[in-house]
Amino acid sequence: AQSVAQPEDQVNVAEGNPLTVKCTYSVSGNPYLFWYVQYPNRGLQFLLKYITGDNLVKGSYGFEAEFNKSQTSFHLKKPSALVSDSALYFCAVRDTYTGRRALTFGSGTRLQVQP
Amino acid sequence: NAGVTQTPKFQVLKTGQSMTLQCAQDMNHEYMSWYRQDPGMGLRLIHYSVGAGITDQGEVPNGYNVSRSTTEDFPLRLLSAAPSQTSVYFCASSYTGTSGVRDTGELFFGEGSRLTVL
Repeated sequence: AQSVAQPEDQVNVAEGNPLTVKCTYSVSGNPYLFWYVQYPNRGLQFLLKYITGDNLVKGSYGFEAEFNKSQTSFHLKKPSALVSDSALYFCAVRDTYTGRRALTFGSGTRLQVQP
Repeated sequence: NAGVTQTPKFQVLKTGQSMTLQCAQDMNHEYMSWYRQDPGMGLRLIHYSVGAGITDQGEVPNGYNVSRSTTEDFPLRLLSAAPSQTSVYFCASSYTGTSGVRDTGELFFGEGSRLTVL
């Protein structure tokens, strides 16, 4: 079975500082990995994904994530946080081995960027 | 450019009532799905469909029915609402690659339907 863990319920960072939101996963085969962001009372917006290729993936709004197969991690990063980055972030995985298309989501991490 | 449209945005039900959450997409996506979002639990898959006439259960299907008579629509039916079904429901869709459009993997989400069962 595929699963995702986001160990931090909340991450606090000062504006201008780098941020990291952690994600680890478990799958049987090769993973497709995703990050989504949710602003209050809105749906989920796609940020970036890893399918294959370079381990460092760049996405929307200056975010990037690094795929680490040995540590089964896919941490979300940004070099300089903005107050407007404050939102709920979800990591998700799809297991290519099972052929199931469904994404399994982590429990979410609330990012709070202080001015 | 509508994308995935969910109605209603808000609904209050009494225990035992039934209702249907509507979902429509205009991107010709083969795959459609319903998730529920509860605090601290992320999103959990209720039901999904890989094409018209094909549906299957997800992680938490009990108390919900779906059907897929067209590519565009994927309604979610609550048969007899219970307080445990108080949640925010999201419809999401994507390509599967079978219609010639490459499967890029990501899901496209609606804005959500907030349901309260009293």
